[in-house]
Amino acid sequence: GAGVSQSPSNKVTEKGKDVELRCDPISGHTALYWYRQSLGQGLEFLIYFQGNSAPDKSGLPSDRFSAERTGGSVSTLTIQRTQQEDSAVYLCASSLGASGSYNEQFFGPGTRLTVL
Amino acid sequence: GQQVMQIPQYQHVQEGEDFTTYCNSSTTLSNIQWYKQRPGGHPVFLIQLVKSGEVKKQKRLTFQFGEAKKNSSLHITATQTTDVGTYFCAGPLQNDMRFGAGTRLTVKP
Repeated sequence: GAGVSQSPSNKVTEKGKDVELRCDPISGHTALYWYRQSLGQGLEFLIYFQGNSAPDKSGLPSDRFSAERTGGSVSTLTIQRTQQEDSAVYLCASSLGASGSYNEQFFGPGTRLTVL
Repeated sequence: GQQVMQIPQYQHVQEGEDFTTYCNSSTTLSNIQWYKQRPGGHPVFLIQLVKSGEVKKQKRLTFQFGEAKKNSSLHITATQTTDVGTYFCAGPLQNDMRFGAGTRLTVKP
């Protein structure tokens, strides 16, 4: 079956521009995560959506970052006024996310963002 | 705050040598997950441990969950070049999972 998909796979933008990154989770997965991974580094948690609950935004590094999840499925991560330090791979993951349990996360291939 | 700490950050071994990465938490974990990320790839789920003292094996990989459920380890016996990658542990934090910093394994043939 289809896995998690992300688009675009690569994005090059100029400093100060806004970008939108898209994630299509696995159908039926209620939990969705966004992570940021700089070159050779670990996974930096950004935001977590679970069903209709309020998202956990505790990992967003600044108010330039925001994310939405429409209809409990597709999610968009928006970065406003991009800075060079935003350059990284942005990974999305989804899981069944049943309340009270922790299911394995399925990761998408990521979007590599380069801010010039 | 609650975190999942992972060591070492890097490990370079000769092919055939063993490798171990450790994951520690200051608080009791209800479960712990392990993932592997190949160079240029994305993390892929390996296993989840739930029970105190649990040990699970996948071929040359052995996963352990401590008795106190505060630590875990991944041990690879007789490493191969296909084992190259970064190994992450992940533990629950409030309502979601948080990842350790990862251990990057390189294997010299």
